[in-house]
Amino acid sequence: ETGVTQSPTHLIKTRGQQVTLRCSSQSGHNTVSWYQQALGQGPQFIFQYYREEENGRGNFPPRFSGLQFPNYSSELNVNALELDDSALYLCASSLTGNTEAFFGQGTRLTVV
Amino acid sequence: GQQLNQSPQSMFIQEGEDVSMNCTSSSIFNTWLWYKQDPGEGPVLLIALYKAGELTSNGRLTAQFGITRKDSFLNISASIPSDVGIYFCAGQLRRGADGLTFGKGTHLIIQP
Repeated sequence: ETGVTQSPTHLIKTRGQQVTLRCSSQSGHNTVSWYQQALGQGPQFIFQYYREEENGRGNFPPRFSGLQFPNYSSELNVNALELDDSALYLCASSLTGNTEAFFGQGTRLTVV
Repeated sequence: GQQLNQSPQSMFIQEGEDVSMNCTSSSIFNTWLWYKQDPGEGPVLLIALYKAGELTSNGRLTAQFGITRKDSFLNISASIPSDVGIYFCAGQLRRGADGLTFGKGTHLIIQP
């Protein structure tokens, strides 16, 4: 059974650029959620995808968008990057109806 | 975004001591979870609680779901060096449907 994997592990972008982060869910898991974790804080829920559609969203602006593919993998896209977007971005997968979400190791995004 | 109130913020203890940390919320949750995060890694699920008043153990870890559904605590007995890390509580309103709301974490430091 493979766990949740994310790529890349580290990324440096310039303010105003766009970024795409990728996540492969744990085998058999059909729901993917994304979280932003700023330094010294707990993770903040961005959104969740099930059956290739967004079915829940936290308090993040529309420039944060995502996709889920038929194999349940997912992408997080962030447009018009701002300095405050610098954070660890975590992907978690789970089975619909099951609370137990399993996290990847995260992508460390630095915006300069 | 909303975060749960988690305390203490950090703990310095001796190896072998017991540890207690808690988490409170101004609103109810129907699921409480406890995660541990090591540096450079994603959070790892320790215990999940699904019913108000529930007391659940996982080895040396014990967690309880408060009867008001607005709080939870985690105890670690006989701490060992590998218990070092950041512990997060997380709440979910609709099981398997909503994103998780996290606390800011309790940083556990163990002195040998």
